Amino acid sequence: AQSVTQLDSHVSVSEGTPVLLRCNYSSSYSPSLFWYVQHPNKGLQLLLKYTSAATLVKGINGFEAEFKKSETSFHLTKPSAHMSDAAEYFCVVSESRGNKLVFGAGTILRVKS
Amino acid sequence: DAGVIQSPRHEVTEMGQEVTLRCKPISGHDYLFWYRQTMMRGLELLIYFNNNVPIDDSGMPEDRFSAKMPNASFSTLKIQPSEPRDSAVYFCASSLQLETDTQYFGPGTRLTVL
Repeated sequence: AQSVTQLDSHVSVSEGTPVLLRCNYSSSYSPSLFWYVQHPNKGLQLLLKYTSAATLVKGINGFEAEFKKSETSFHLTKPSAHMSDAAEYFCVVSESRGNKLVFGAGTILRVKS
Repeated sequence: DAGVIQSPRHEVTEMGQEVTLRCKPISGHDYLFWYRQTMMRGLELLIYFNNNVPIDDSGMPEDRFSAKMPNASFSTLKIQPSEPRDSAVYFCASSLQLETDTQYFGPGTRLTVL
């Protein structure tokens, strides 16, 4: 069975500083990996997706993530945080062939001015 | 495209009442998913459909929950009778065929059972 572990439940950064949200996964197959963002009282929006192409994936709003098979990690980064980045972020793995998503517990990102 | 549409956005009901949540997936998407989000349990997949057929309902908590998809553009999630512990945000999502796993989420229905 596939699983996802988000290593931090809360991350706080200052505006303009880098963001790092950590994610480790467990998978028996070649996984598809995603990061979704959820702003308060909103639905989930896809940030970026890895599907066995380039290991460095660029997403929307300046976010990117690097797939590291040796470390079973898929950490999300952004060089400079903006106030509008404050939200909850979910790392997600897709079970092979089944189109089911397995969600991490989420990381709440706080951006201080 | 308007995206995934859910209604109502908010629902407040009393324990024991029937609740029906509605979802319209993105046109052309063959997969439809129902999720529940709570503080305690996070995001849970309840059930998903492929071409209107339920494929996996192992996440449905109990018999009080049922879901239908009578056609490609409409699905319902029904709770009868509702209980306070059903209070949560319920999301519907849809996706294309198996060539892509990206799911597109609706805005959710916030259900409060008093």
